[in-house]
Amino acid sequence: ILNVEQSPQSLHVQEGDSTNFTCSFPSSNFYALHWYRWETAKSPEALFVMTLNGDEKKKGRISATLNTKEGYSYLYIKGSQPEDSATYLCAFDAGNNRKLIWGLGTSLAVNP
Amino acid sequence: EPEVTQTPSHQVTQMGQEVILRCVPISNHLYFYWYRQILGQKVEFLVSFYNNEISEKSEIFDDQFSVERPDGSNFTLKIRSTKLEDSAMYFCASSLFDSEGEQFFGPGTRLTVL
Repeated sequence: ILNVEQSPQSLHVQEGDSTNFTCSFPSSNFYALHWYRWETAKSPEALFVMTLNGDEKKKGRISATLNTKEGYSYLYIKGSQPEDSATYLCAFDAGNNRKLIWGLGTSLAVNP
Repeated sequence: EPEVTQTPSHQVTQMGQEVILRCVPISNHLYFYWYRQILGQKVEFLVSFYNNEISEKSEIFDDQFSVERPDGSNFTLKIRSTKLEDSAMYFCASSLFDSEGEQFFGPGTRLTVL
């Protein structure tokens, strides 16, 4: 059974702090790793789709790294802002018709 | 910016009743998906759909579930005889054929089975 784990489950930081969280996934049959940002009452929003070992992607203050050999990805947020408050989900894609296996998410709260 | 839409936002039904959840994917997308999230649990894949047929389905997607793209615009999920454990948030998503697999999600339909 494919399993995706995320840690920590929740995180509270102060505005301006930098933070990071982890997604662990199976290291075999890897096709892609997706990161999504999900604000309450909104649609999950795609942040990154990562496919290459060692890859690093960046979008504004948010970046992500990928290690497919050991099966983990880190998401970093630099200088957190209250609007970054959301649940950050990762999903593992084994390439079988884009079926995504999801983690439980990391719930981030940024205090002003 | 194009987006995936879903209706209704909240559906309440009695156990044993049929429900149809509706989605309008982004118009030029070719792959379509349904996911669900039971409160407090992980998002779970239900089914993927391409070229008017199911590409992949999970063990959750049994004979009580069906999907249809009736008119080239809508993408529906039908649950024939709902059970209490079908109560969840149901998300529709779509993606481009030649993308990196980025899936665009709708806002979800909250299904409550009484």
